[in-house]
Amino acid sequence: AQSVSQHNHHVILSEAASLELGCNYSYGGTVNLFWYVQYPGQHLQLLLKYFSGDPLVKGIKGFEAEFIKSKFSFNLRKPSVQWSDTAEYFCAVNAGNTGFQKLVFGTGTRLLVSP
Amino acid sequence: DAGITQSPRHKVTETGTPVTLRCHQTENHRYMYWYRQDPGHGLRLIHYSYGVKDTDKGEVSDGYSVSRSKTEDFLLTLESATSSQTSVYFCAISDRTGTGVKGEQFFGPGTRLTVL
Repeated sequence: AQSVSQHNHHVILSEAASLELGCNYSYGGTVNLFWYVQYPGQHLQLLLKYFSGDPLVKGIKGFEAEFIKSKFSFNLRKPSVQWSDTAEYFCAVNAGNTGFQKLVFGTGTRLLVSP
Repeated sequence: DAGITQSPRHKVTETGTPVTLRCHQTENHRYMYWYRQDPGHGLRLIHYSYGVKDTDKGEVSDGYSVSRSKTEDFLLTLESATSSQTSVYFCAISDRTGTGVKGEQFFGPGTRLTVL
């Protein structure tokens, strides 16, 4: 079965610091990759997605992620975080062996940005 | 935001009572999903639907049933609620893109369920 690992469960940064959140998945075939963000008390919103093509994808609010197939990784980055980026971040994968019908989520990373 | 509503938004119930949560979409998307979110577990798929009256189990389906009689509505039922089903429940929808590859999922606002 597919699995998604997010190794950083809690991250605390000061404003203007750079961010990198790790995401690794287990499936070896064709995958679609996603990062979602959940602000306190809200539902999940899509930050960015990778289906194919350029492995460096840019999303909303200055976030980007790089798909490295050889490492089964899709790490999320932002060069300079803001207090408003405080949220929980989820990596998710869907795979060709399920017809891309199901998303498998990581356990999430809570980011706290101090002003 | 995608047109997804969930009702109720909050519910407190007692162990052993039946509970039904409703997800309603206005996007005419084919696929609908129910997840539960618990600390330390992320989101886990309960059941999903790939069309009217077509449903399948997810990874945590025990104790839950679903029904989809119309494209726009997907119901989640807890036949006899237990304290372990205290959670936040999210509905999601998705559809195929023009290439036929599955698109991203859009999430509803969530239902916070407490089983005493």
